[in-house]
Amino acid sequence: GAVVSQHPSRVICKSGTSVKIECRSLDFQATTMFWYRQFPKQSLMLMATSNEGSKATYEQGVEKDKFLINHASLTLSTLTVTSAHPEDSSFYICSARGSLAQNQETQYFGPGTRLLVL
Amino acid sequence: EDQVTQSPEALRLQEGESSSLNCSYTVSGLRGLFWYRQDPGKGPEFLFTLYSAGEEKEKERLKATLTKKESFLHITAPKPEDSATYLCAVQESGDYKLSFGAGTTVTVRA
Repeated sequence: GAVVSQHPSRVICKSGTSVKIECRSLDFQATTMFWYRQFPKQSLMLMATSNEGSKATYEQGVEKDKFLINHASLTLSTLTVTSAHPEDSSFYICSARGSLAQNQETQYFGPGTRLLVL
Repeated sequence: EDQVTQSPEALRLQEGESSSLNCSYTVSGLRGLFWYRQDPGKGPEFLFTLYSAGEEKEKERLKATLTKKESFLHITAPKPEDSATYLCAVQESGDYKLSFGAGTTVTVRA
């Protein structure tokens, strides 16, 4: 149980275009979903927290107009990188936490999306 | 602000050579301490949650322990498939966000 998927697994786009990444909890309802970014040889940095039906809460230094997060249902959250630039190239990982039945403190992570902006 | 420090940064072991990884943390109130395993190009895989000092959890060759200031991940008789980066993260009381350490990259040679 507690499986989280992401799509796509990798994407290459041109500078100035937008890219959407999907995160789904496959076998549980996600009370909260989190989006992280990981640069090579570095640890995970939290970008934002989203609850179903609410606006996302962004961490300090993360541009909310550039990284649009939508959490439309208890099993789906999307991250859209708008007007992507080469410096946005990174590994984007989502996580989800469920209700008490799924050990509500624990975040289960997706496999990640590798974004390369040319 | 939460601080999580992992040591060593990298660990090279011979197959069967047991060792320990350290995670020291500073948090005003601990909800939980988490250990994850991350393989290259993959998302973190959940291993353990520890909630209070004195708690221990085991899974196969891994054993995690917790004190008020640090956690240890013991790897007993490691195999090459245990090679990965092990991440420690803390969750503060009243919040579900995770603060991660930089990780320890373990390489086990056959």
